[in-house]
Amino acid sequence: GAGVSQTPSNKVTEKGKYVELRCDPISGHTALYWYRQSLGQGPEFLIYFQGTGAADDSGLPNDRFFAVRPEGSVSTLKIQRTERGDSAVYLCASSLDGGSDTQYFGPGTRLTVL
Amino acid sequence: QKEVEQNSGPLSVPEGAIASLNCTYSDRGSQSFFWYRQYSGKSPELIMFIYSNGDKEDGRFTAQLNKASQYVSLLIRDSQPSDSATYLCAVNGFQKLVFGTGTRLLVSP
Repeated sequence: GAGVSQTPSNKVTEKGKYVELRCDPISGHTALYWYRQSLGQGPEFLIYFQGTGAADDSGLPNDRFFAVRPEGSVSTLKIQRTERGDSAVYLCASSLDGGSDTQYFGPGTRLTVL
Repeated sequence: QKEVEQNSGPLSVPEGAIASLNCTYSDRGSQSFFWYRQYSGKSPELIMFIYSNGDKEDGRFTAQLNKASQYVSLLIRDSQPSDSATYLCAVNGFQKLVFGTGTRLLVSP
């Protein structure tokens, strides 16, 4: 079946602008995760959804970052007033039920803030 | 101290050799452990997961877990040039994955 999909694959924006990144999880997966990966580093956790609710948003770096999953499927990560330090690859993953279930990653969105 | 530590490498092995990748973690309560492979410019791809102490084999790959020593390893037998990638160790901590920085593996023909 189809894997996790993310759009856009690349996003270039200017400092101060607003961006939205979209994730479509594997069909039937109730858990959805956002991670951020900088060059030479492993992915860093941002937020975890179980169904429609954010079960853990402890990884969001500040209040410029927000994510939603209104119908328990597609999720959008929103970044306001982007800064150059936000440049990274944003990865989305999903798992069947959360917990210790295996997480499957999408292809990522490369965000570049000029 | 980082929560999950890996040697960044590169680890260079000749084709056909065994590659041994190691990872230590700090949270003794961790229950599940994962190895992901990441090619340059691509996203992480699951290789193996292990929950119990001991060895788990899948084809050319063997994951080893020692909870007492807080140590996880991945062995790749008969290494191929196509195995050249960064290998990420991840530990499940309260439903989120905590990753190491990855070990870069280079397999020379």
